[in-house]
Amino acid sequence: GQSLEQPSEVTAVEGAIVQINCTYQTSGFYGLSWYQQHDGGAPTFLSYNALDGLEETGRFSSFLSRSDSYGYLLLQELQMKDSASYFCAVRDVAAGNKLTFGGGTRVLVKP
Amino acid sequence: GAGVSQSPRYKVTKRGQDVALRCDPISGHVSLYWYRQALGQGPEFLTYFNYEAQQDKSGLPNDRFSAERPEGSISTLTIQRTEQRDSAMYRCASSLNLAGGYEQFFGPGTRLTVL
Repeated sequence: GQSLEQPSEVTAVEGAIVQINCTYQTSGFYGLSWYQQHDGGAPTFLSYNALDGLEETGRFSSFLSRSDSYGYLLLQELQMKDSASYFCAVRDVAAGNKLTFGGGTRVLVKP
Repeated sequence: GAGVSQSPRYKVTKRGQDVALRCDPISGHVSLYWYRQALGQGPEFLTYFNYEAQQDKSGLPNDRFSAERPEGSISTLTIQRTEQRDSAMYRCASSLNLAGGYEQFFGPGTRLTVL
């Protein structure tokens, strides 16, 4: 099976940088996705890493180290609208297109 | 274009009744997924389809839960003899193709309450 760990909550001020770590255990790792979910909304896709390294998409970046079974999502220049829950999700070779989600990290941005 | 839609958005039912939850994926999307999400938790995988074929149903909690996607488009998740513990948000998602499962588009969900 698969398991993922991420911090439950992070608080930061506007303009700051937040890093959300995700460690995973899976038998046949294929890639790591990140999703954002605002209260009352649906999860929305942010980024995906299948290879080691950093992927940058605007203010958000995602990093993966396959050898360490570790990834992170970096939120830069935090804005109030970034207050949301962030989920890492692992894709496993043996599981086809199925995603296994972590428990989520709630990010609270303060003025 | 239209996103993933689900109906009903809210369903209140009495214990022991059967319920059917519908998902209409993005047109042309090959894969369709069902999740259950508790408040403050990540989506919990239930089952998924490629086209009309159910690929994995390992997440269905018990045999009261079933799903189908007979024509490779709309899907129905059916819960028979509902119990209070079935109360949750049920989410559907779709992805474009067999290689694109890492990017899933989620619907608004159906909030099921079993009294």
